[in-house]
Amino acid sequence: QKEVEQDPGPLSVPEGAIVSLNCTYSNSAFQYFMWYRQYSRKGPELLMYTYSSGNKEDGRFTAQVDKSSKYISLFIRDSQPSDSATYLCAMRNTGGFKTIFGAGTRLFVKA
Amino acid sequence: KAGVTQTPRYLIKTRGQQVTLSCSPISGHRSVSWYQQTPGQGLQFLFEYFSETQRNKGNFPGRFSGRQFSNSRSEMNVSTLELGDSALYLCASSLGTVNNEQFFGPGTRLTVL
Repeated sequence: QKEVEQDPGPLSVPEGAIVSLNCTYSNSAFQYFMWYRQYSRKGPELLMYTYSSGNKEDGRFTAQVDKSSKYISLFIRDSQPSDSATYLCAMRNTGGFKTIFGAGTRLFVKA
Repeated sequence: KAGVTQTPRYLIKTRGQQVTLSCSPISGHRSVSWYQQTPGQGLQFLFEYFSETQRNKGNFPGRFSGRQFSNSRSEMNVSTLELGDSALYLCASSLGTVNNEQFFGPGTRLTVL
């Protein structure tokens, strides 16, 4: 079993929809949780960064962490065609400097 | 502020050759991590350097090695290339403490023929 599980999709939604992306994990030591967006032929771009449990909002993006369920989510409101990309969840524990990534979910937003 | 830069952006090599990739971190960042990204395995951690010392290592064979210079620039080397080494190699830099965000470069696309 992988430490971080993420459905690779693809996920296709109409413009304006609310998108929900999720990851589950098995290592209870993870404390730092990230979401990256990666466009084709580019490096990942950091979108959201949260510590421990709770919610964080930044514009149209909201990240949620539920440590009791070992489940993290990224919500995208009013999705745009420019949001079409691969979204990677990532996490790290307090004792190490190794970041573990999910497989990435491919998102298509149709105009 | 300039981002993370990687050179070269594209490389084509043949089996058995060796290759060296370069990464220049964001100014002031002392940690550089390297990752291999393939369609089948996703993003996999290779190693991390901080202040010229390898601080963490992933599960890759010894053919994969790296180093970091006093100006924080880093290189990774792959010897005796195999077809399966074809991938996007990404480096990421951060300030170096565990709670710091990592910022990625554009990657080097390596193709092994």
